[in-house]
Amino acid sequence: DQQVKQNSPSLSVQEGRISILNCDYTNSMFDYFLWYKKYPAEGPTFLISISSIKDKNEDGRFTVFLNKSAKHLSLHIVPSQPGDSAVYFCAASNTGNQFYFGTGTSLTVIP
Amino acid sequence: EPEVTQTPSHQVTQMGQEVILRCVPISNHLYFYWYRQILGQKVEFLVSFYNNEISEKSEIFDDQFSVERPDGSNFTLKIRSTKLEDSAMYFCASSADRIPNYGYTFGSGTRLTVV
Repeated sequence: DQQVKQNSPSLSVQEGRISILNCDYTNSMFDYFLWYKKYPAEGPTFLISISSIKDKNEDGRFTVFLNKSAKHLSLHIVPSQPGDSAVYFCAASNTGNQFYFGTGTSLTVIP
Repeated sequence: EPEVTQTPSHQVTQMGQEVILRCVPISNHLYFYWYRQILGQKVEFLVSFYNNEISEKSEIFDDQFSVERPDGSNFTLKIRSTKLEDSAMYFCASSADRIPNYGYTFGSGTRLTVV
């Protein structure tokens, strides 16, 4: 049941450049979306959220874009830093209780 | 910074045994969750808990699973009779709101290995 998909398992970006991580979902009832970052042997760490009433939310170097018609969201990291290297998960919900997670994209920022 | 604490960090148990995974959520949070991640797979929702009762659970959360908030600080996940396929990282999370504007706060996880 792949309600949330992250089709790129990995991404490599040069330090200072933009990282774009993509996420697609199938359930049009989803109205709340989160991005998490995860380091090995740690729990996911919240990065940024967006609700379906918005199409963009920005927090420092992180911006999330939501395209409801395409059922697509993306996370932009500008500029990318080596410390950003981690696995990034998007998650979606329509109840606020259960979030459906994607399988993650492993980002490597090359110094 | 407040954090969610999970113990133990790693638990090995024999198939058929009961295990209890423990979590201390952030003190002023009201909503509590368990998720798990089988190695190489996605993070999956198990259960949410609010006001001393389960508010939502997934198909994974069958009769072998139970949750409890035995006192004002702990939140536990019990697996009555573990199976090999229960081997996974189990993450506890908490939030102040049902729609968490700042996401959940996850613990570091308990790695459960069933042998």
